Amino acid sequence: AQKVTQAQTEISVVEKEDVTLDCVYETRDTTYYLFWYKQPPSGELVFLIRRNSFDEQNEISGRYSWNFQKSTSSFNFTITASQVVDSAVYFCALSEAGGGGNKLTFGTGTQLKVEL
Amino acid sequence: EAQVTQNPRYLITVTGKKLTVTCSQNMNHEYMSWYRQDPGLGLRQIYYSMNVEVTDKGDVPEGYKVSRKEKRNFPLILESPSPNQTSLYFCASSSRTGISGANVLTFGAGSRLTVL
Repeated sequence: AQKVTQAQTEISVVEKEDVTLDCVYETRDTTYYLFWYKQPPSGELVFLIRRNSFDEQNEISGRYSWNFQKSTSSFNFTITASQVVDSAVYFCALSEAGGGGNKLTFGTGTQLKVEL
Repeated sequence: EAQVTQNPRYLITVTGKKLTVTCSQNMNHEYMSWYRQDPGLGLRQIYYSMNVEVTDKGDVPEGYKVSRKEKRNFPLILESPSPNQTSLYFCASSSRTGISGANVLTFGAGSRLTVL
């Protein structure tokens, strides 16, 4: 069965610091997809990125970057020069090809607090 | 605007009083699902539907029912709510084009349910 572990329950940083959110996953499938979602204080879930298991290239989008390493089953998320607006709960999730449609298995989330 | 709409957004009810949380999407998506979010547990799938009249259990289906009579609607029914169903509920949808598991889920804004 698939599993996603986000060991960091809560992280506090001061604005402009860089911060990395860890995500470790388990799956027996060779084809799978990894996602990050952001949940701001307003509560909605905002899609950030999707990565497939065959593409280990790191990705950068503005201040956000993602490091996918199959060797360690990790898909870590880094925010560079954090801002107060980055304060949110961040979820890492896994989807397996051929499973029950597009079912996402979520980690327990990391609460990020960015303070002035 | 493409969206998933849930109602009600907030509800306080009492044990045993049947309730329905509605979910509607305007993107002509085949796949729809329900998740519940609880502190320390992340989001867990309750039920999902691959298409009209096709539904199946997720990881935590006990105490819930669903139906999919129309493509756009996927209501979540709590026949006899209990306090352990107090939670934040999310409806989500996606297309089924391409590889299963790859499609990005679009989430509704969430429904916060309290059962006294």
